[in-house]
Formats: sequence, C-alpha cells, structure tokens
Amino acid sequence: DTAVSQTPKYLVTQMGNDKSIKCEQNLGHDTMYWYKQDSKKFLKIMFSYNNKELIINETVPNRFSPKSPDKAHLNLHINSLELGDSAVYFCASRQEAGNSPLHFGNGTRLTVT
Amino acid sequence: AQSVAQPEDQVNVAEGNPLTVKCTYSVSGNPYLFWYVQYPNRGLQFLLKYITGDNLVKGSYGFEAEFNKSQTSFHLKKPSALVSDSALYFCAVRDGGTYKYIFGTGTRLKVLA
Repeated sequence: DTAVSQTPKYLVTQMGNDKSIKCEQNLGHDTMYWYKQDSKKFLKIMFSYNNKELIINETVPNRFSPKSPDKAHLNLHINSLELGDSAVYFCASRQEAGNSPLHFGNGTRLTVT
Repeated sequence: AQSVAQPEDQVNVAEGNPLTVKCTYSVSGNPYLFWYVQYPNRGLQFLLKYITGDNLVKGSYGFEAEFNKSQTSFHLKKPSALVSDSALYFCAVRDGGTYKYIFGTGTRLKVLA
C-alpha cells in the first residue's frame, strides 16, 4: 500500500545511455517533485509539477526531462548519462492546500559506470 | 533567497539523554518550517512542521521543535533519546511564494546505548 512508489529501486548503467525513472503516488496529491541526493546526502530540488504543469525547473542540464502524463505520475528521463549523474533520486508529492508536508518515495539509486 | 542551515554534521547523545538538532533559517516572509528523518536506504519521513501559532510544535515519535523568531531558529528536540532515533535529520523551509521546499544539509544523529 505504498503511497509514493518509484521504479526501479536500483539502476546501473553505462555512460552515454538513456534511462527513465518512474514515480506514482496514490495519495490524490496535486503536486509532485523530483529531488537529487548526492553522495554527501545533500538534497537538491530538480523539478516540480502541479496538476501536470511544470512549476519548478531548477538549473538542471537539458539532458534531464520530466514528464507528467497525469497528476498521479511524474517520470524522469535522462539522456546521455554522465558519471556525475550518479546519485539517489527521490520523488515526492504533496497536496498544495494547507502547507502540507512532502511525502517521499524510497528513492532510485542511479549508478553510472 | 530562502535558506536553511544545519551547523552540525553529526550529533552524538547517550540513550535516555535529551537531544537537540539545530536548524536556522533565512526567509523573506513568513517561515514555513519542517523536520524530516531519513533512515538508511529510505525516503524522508515527515516529523513535524511549524506554520503559525504556538512556538513549541509536537510531532511524531516524541519529537518536538521550538520556533524562535528572534533567533531565526527551529531546533528539533526530544526529552529522552532512543537508539532507534539514530538517523539522518533534515530541516526544511518552504518558500511561501513558490512551491519550493529547501532542505538543510542534514545532521546525522547517533544515539549510543
């Protein structure tokens, strides 16, 4: 009965490949996020969608492209993977009203070799 | 710009002793402040939040946090630490004008038996 689920949990791939990470939430939330956590555990926001519309687009290389087919899903596609893309990527969601907190998935550990 | 600082990389405390994890913030308007906990190989879990009202906020697992406007601080506290509280703790601030949640660098709490 996972609230925010990400697939895959682990992703190992070679430089130059293209990969996707999927995220789904069953909480009925209208806002979803992608965060990147590096090896020092720093969390950096990448993107956010509200009702399928992009509302936050941080300074992220164009190789990263989010897609939200509906408000329950937010996928992350990464082109031409680089070594520096290795990190844990977290999806999160929240209900916009009432300053509600973020609900996080368990993360996708991406390793680029 | 909104920012959050967690000055301690690690806090060690003996089981049964009170614990404090420090957080200071910088915002241009009203602060919306949050604490999250991250266990190994898991996503962040919400502990508590301050939006308005009482300066002492109570949250999950016996944690509480004290909002201090004059010192721009939002320290996390617990009267009696448990070994199971050992984890990585993040303070976060929401930019009231946007959908962004900005996270601190995290503090690793180690509770010693």
